[in-house]
Amino acid sequence: AQKVTQAQTEISVVEKEDVTLDCVYETRDTTYYLFWYKQPPSGELVFLIRRNSFDEQNEISGRYSWNFQKSTSSFNFTITASQVVDSAVYFCALSDAGSARQLTFGSGTQLTVLP
Amino acid sequence: DTAVSQTPKYLVTQMGNDKSIKCEQNLGHDTMYWYKQDSKKFLKIMFSYNNKELIINETVPNRFSPKSPDKAHLNLHINSLELGDSAVYFCASSLKGSANEKLFFGSGTQLSVL
Repeated sequence: AQKVTQAQTEISVVEKEDVTLDCVYETRDTTYYLFWYKQPPSGELVFLIRRNSFDEQNEISGRYSWNFQKSTSSFNFTITASQVVDSAVYFCALSDAGSARQLTFGSGTQLTVLP
Repeated sequence: DTAVSQTPKYLVTQMGNDKSIKCEQNLGHDTMYWYKQDSKKFLKIMFSYNNKELIINETVPNRFSPKSPDKAHLNLHINSLELGDSAVYFCASSLKGSANEKLFFGSGTQLSVL
């Protein structure tokens, strides 16, 4: 069975600080996909990134970066120079070839960026 | 145009009532989903349909009945509402329902059962 753990329930930082959101996953499949979604206060869920299990290359998109490490089953998300607009709940999620169409979400991390 | 739209956005009702939530996607996707988000923000899949065919039916009470008249619509009907049904319900869609596809979510329906 697949499982996603986001141990940080809530994080508060002051604007311009860097912050890393942790995600640890479990799966028995060798082929799987990891995702991050953002849920701002308005409530909608917004896709941020997808990574497949065969691609461990880290990715950077503006102030966002993702660190995928199969050795530790982690897919961490870093926001550099955080801004108030980054305040949201961030979800890590996993799907694998054995459970297509079923995305398993972590419990989310509430990030609050203070001005 | 909104890609995945669900109505209503808010639904307040009495225990025991029957209610429906509608969802439509204009992305041409084959697969649609219903997710439930509880008060602790935990998201869990309820149902998945692919081209009007039920694919996933998690351990959801049979008071919940999804209906897909066509692949662009997936409605959720709930009978005999209970206090524990209070949650945010999200509709979502993906292109073919493959494991590597991102989901497009609706804006959610906040259901409050009094």
